[in-house]
Amino acid sequence: DTAVSQTPKYLVTQMGNDKSIKCEQNLGHDTMYWYKQDSKKFLKIMFSYNNKELIINETVPNRFSPKSPDKAHLNLHINSLELGDSAVYFCASSQDRGERGYTFGSGTRLTVV
Amino acid sequence: AQTVTQSQPEMSVQEAETVTLSCTYDTSESDYYLFWYKQPPSRQMILVIRQEAYKQQNATENRFSVNFQKAAKSFSLKISDSQLGDAAMYFCAYRSATGGGADGLTFGKGTHLIIQP
Repeated sequence: DTAVSQTPKYLVTQMGNDKSIKCEQNLGHDTMYWYKQDSKKFLKIMFSYNNKELIINETVPNRFSPKSPDKAHLNLHINSLELGDSAVYFCASSQDRGERGYTFGSGTRLTVV
Repeated sequence: AQTVTQSQPEMSVQEAETVTLSCTYDTSESDYYLFWYKQPPSRQMILVIRQEAYKQQNATENRFSVNFQKAAKSFSLKISDSQLGDAAMYFCAYRSATGGGADGLTFGKGTHLIIQP
């Protein structure tokens, strides 16, 4: 009964490929997010979705696109992968405005070779 | 934009002792939320404790407590009776309470906590 689940946990791919990371939450939360953790462990928000509407779109390359088929899912699609995209990507969710905190998935380690 | 600073890249403590992790933040807002997250080697991000800025009382969760100094914009985490399972990266995070929609967390760069047996 995982609260926020991401697949796959590990992803190794070649430069130039297109890949997707899936995220699902069963908490009934209103908002979902994608965070990127770089090699120095720094976490930065990429996107958030609230009721299927994009609320935050930080200055990430437009090769990254979030897709939300419904309130419980927020997938991350990445086109034309580059070496610099290698990182750990975390999905998270929160109820309302997240005052009580965010629940994170276990992360997807993406390695671009 | 808000910033969160954790000035201790790494801390080490003997098992059963007490350790304090520092966090300062910069904001012009008066209402916000602060969090400490733990990331063990498993990579999972785990919420340790949260604090609402409008509450003067410091939050506590079992062996974890905070020292929230709003005027100084300081939010330190104290871990009492340290256990081997406390070894992890600890991230301080800020979340605005204002704005027109859902806001994300702004994280510090983390403190790597080592527990010496």
